[in-house]
Amino acid sequence: DIQMTQSPSSLSASVGDRVTITCRASQSINTYLHWYQQKPGKAPNLLIYTASSLQSGVPSRFSGSGSGTDFTLTISSLQREDFATYYCLQTSSIPRTFGQGTKVEMK
Amino acid sequence: QVQLQESGPGLVKPSETLSLICTVSGGSISSYYWNWIRQPAGKGLEWVGRIFTTGSTDYSPSLKTRVTMSVDTSKNLFSLKLTSVTAADTAVYYCARGNSFDYWGQGTLVTVSS
Repeated sequence: DIQMTQSPSSLSASVGDRVTITCRASQSINTYLHWYQQKPGKAPNLLIYTASSLQSGVPSRFSGSGSGTDFTLTISSLQREDFATYYCLQTSSIPRTFGQGTKVEMK
Repeated sequence: QVQLQESGPGLVKPSETLSLICTVSGGSISSYYWNWIRQPAGKGLEWVGRIFTTGSTDYSPSLKTRVTMSVDTSKNLFSLKLTSVTAADTAVYYCARGNSFDYWGQGTLVTVSS
């Protein structure tokens, strides 16, 4: 199985901050990496697919980069509605595996 | 707009079989992979498996001996069966579409308890 390691596990930030979350794969996954936002009691919501493509309807302050084993999700200017948990997912191979999540909390 | 809706019993007894259905509306079920994902309370996401509309399946190795998925294209739905459940199978179960999981159901909580 491909292991996905997200860091940090949690972070505290303020509105307007630039936030960066990383995801590292245990082996190369090309760009088969997706990012999701999950709010309490809700299903995850796709933000970025294939590492850097912005899903329709997602604000442009979200961006993704990377290929191979190292990936980054960036929120350029954190908004109040962005406080949530973020997950990465690899779809390079079976079984699909998620990162453990990064909780973005208000400072 | 594609919508997914999970349905099934919210309470299952230990050693029995968990059965869920995901109904797809607003679009055809054909030519996509359809996934099941679960999330225990306060924990992360775990992929359970997927089914293509031809009936081809892939399952998580950790659940493979207990999982069966099926699809009914005439009714635009697919289903999950998980046998011999224990308390460790208590979770919110989600269904999601495709390789990028672009559409998700709202999730359904399944509790395993006697």
